[in-house]
Amino acid sequence: DGGITQSPKYLFRKEGQNVTLSCEQNLNHDAMYWYRQDPGQGLRLIYYSQIVNDFQKGDIAEGYSVSREKKESFPLTVTSAQKNPTAFYLCASSPSGRSSYNEQFFGPGTRLTVL
Amino acid sequence: LAKTTQPISMDSYEGQEVNITCSHNNIATNDYITWYQQFPSQGPRFIIQGYKTKVTNEVASLFIPADRKSSTLSLPRVSLSDTAVYYCLVGDLYSSASKIIFGSGTRLSIRP
Repeated sequence: DGGITQSPKYLFRKEGQNVTLSCEQNLNHDAMYWYRQDPGQGLRLIYYSQIVNDFQKGDIAEGYSVSREKKESFPLTVTSAQKNPTAFYLCASSPSGRSSYNEQFFGPGTRLTVL
Repeated sequence: LAKTTQPISMDSYEGQEVNITCSHNNIATNDYITWYQQFPSQGPRFIIQGYKTKVTNEVASLFIPADRKSSTLSLPRVSLSDTAVYYCLVGDLYSSASKIIFGSGTRLSIRP
């Protein structure tokens, strides 16, 4: 089955620790995205990548970092610099990032809780 | 970017037709309309997309009037499983997908 996988589904972290969220896709999509969702709110874009070895900051990139070394993988690191990291994190991909016409396919999400 | 406005919440009953309207008064010529559905603790899922008039698929219909300043997502004969948040998005055909904005959506609750 083609799709996007995110792991883990639930993640707990102590304050001051960095943590990396995994996102893998086997859809052969060029573009990948990371969103953050807080309770009762919409999605906010953290980072996106239109092609391997290239990525751009979204609206709320501070305290986060990403890499795109492989087409199928786009891991997100939540650093200790992120002031309020507790949230639901969603990864998505689309065939191309050049046009917003392309449907975005979302993973199941990772719920991060900072203790 | 065209801003969208949609109701915060709606209630309906099983078997009814539900219409969710989205306002996008400053929609541009190259903009099209997309709707996503999100269940609790899951990622959003694409429902339907259109530019003008009417689009129908196996899940829903999308009605867009001639002035395109609004659009209506129609869900026929809803069931309890249609309880979800529905997002209306407006995107420029020639702009990066990073420009898409997911607002707070419409929380639809279906009752027996």
